[in-house]
Amino acid sequence: EVQVVESGGGLVKPGGSLRLSCAASGFSFSAYNMNWVRQAPGQGLEWVSSISGTSSYIFYADSMKGRFTVSRDNAKNSLYLQMNSLRAEDTAVYYCARVNGAVPSSDAFDVWGLGTMVTVSS
Amino acid sequence: SYVLTQPPSVSVAPGLTAWITCGGNNIGSKSVHWYQQKTGQAPVLVVYHDGDRPSGIPERFSGSNSENTATLTISRVEAGDEADYYCQVWDSLNDHYVFGTGTKVTVL
Repeated sequence: EVQVVESGGGLVKPGGSLRLSCAASGFSFSAYNMNWVRQAPGQGLEWVSSISGTSSYIFYADSMKGRFTVSRDNAKNSLYLQMNSLRAEDTAVYYCARVNGAVPSSDAFDVWGLGTMVTVSS
Repeated sequence: SYVLTQPPSVSVAPGLTAWITCGGNNIGSKSVHWYQQKTGQAPVLVVYHDGDRPSGIPERFSGSNSENTATLTISRVEAGDEADYYCQVWDSLNDHYVFGTGTKVTVL
C-alpha cells in the first residue's frame, strides 16, 4: 500500500526548533518529488516546501525561506523538515505529500499523510 | 505571487449540481488540480490536470478550465460530498505550488 506517515510534531516555545519526519512506503521513494503542506487551525492549505527525487531542486514558500530546511534520505525512504526560529503563526498541521513526478512541476499531490500537529506557544 | 480565489461557501440540495470556481490570472494556461478535505481528515485528490479523475473518484466529479476560471463540478450531490474543496496549480514563474483559498460545500 502506498502511504506516507508524518511524525515529530509537538509543543515548542517561540524561537525554538523542531524536526518533522515523513516515512514513505509502497512506492519507489527516490522517483518522486516530495512536499510539506501545512494547515493552520481553521485555515486553508499552505504549501511549505518541495524537494525533488534526487534533491537537485529545493523550493520554499517565501515566509519559510531561511527558517525551514527540507531534506530527504532516499536510502531510508524518509523526508524531513527542520524548522527553526518558530513563531506562533507556524502553528499548524503539517502534511507530507507526494507529487506524481520526480521534480517540482504541474503534477498533482496524489498521496497525503494524516499530518502531524505543531504548536508554537509559550 | 500567483493568487487563486475561490468563493468561501457553496450550498446545494441533494441530487442537484454544485459548481466551485477557482479564479486566477490566465489560469487556463495552467494545469489545475482539486482536493476534497472532510472535517478532521487529510486532503484527497479528486480531479487532476483540469478534468481527469483518480481511480476511485466517482464520475460525478468533473472539472474544466478556461481563460481566468477553473471549475469543479459535482453532479447529483450527496450528503457525503460535504467538505472543503481546494484548487491548486504550479506557479512556474516563482517555483511555488499555490493553493486556492478554499470553498466549503454544504449539502442542505
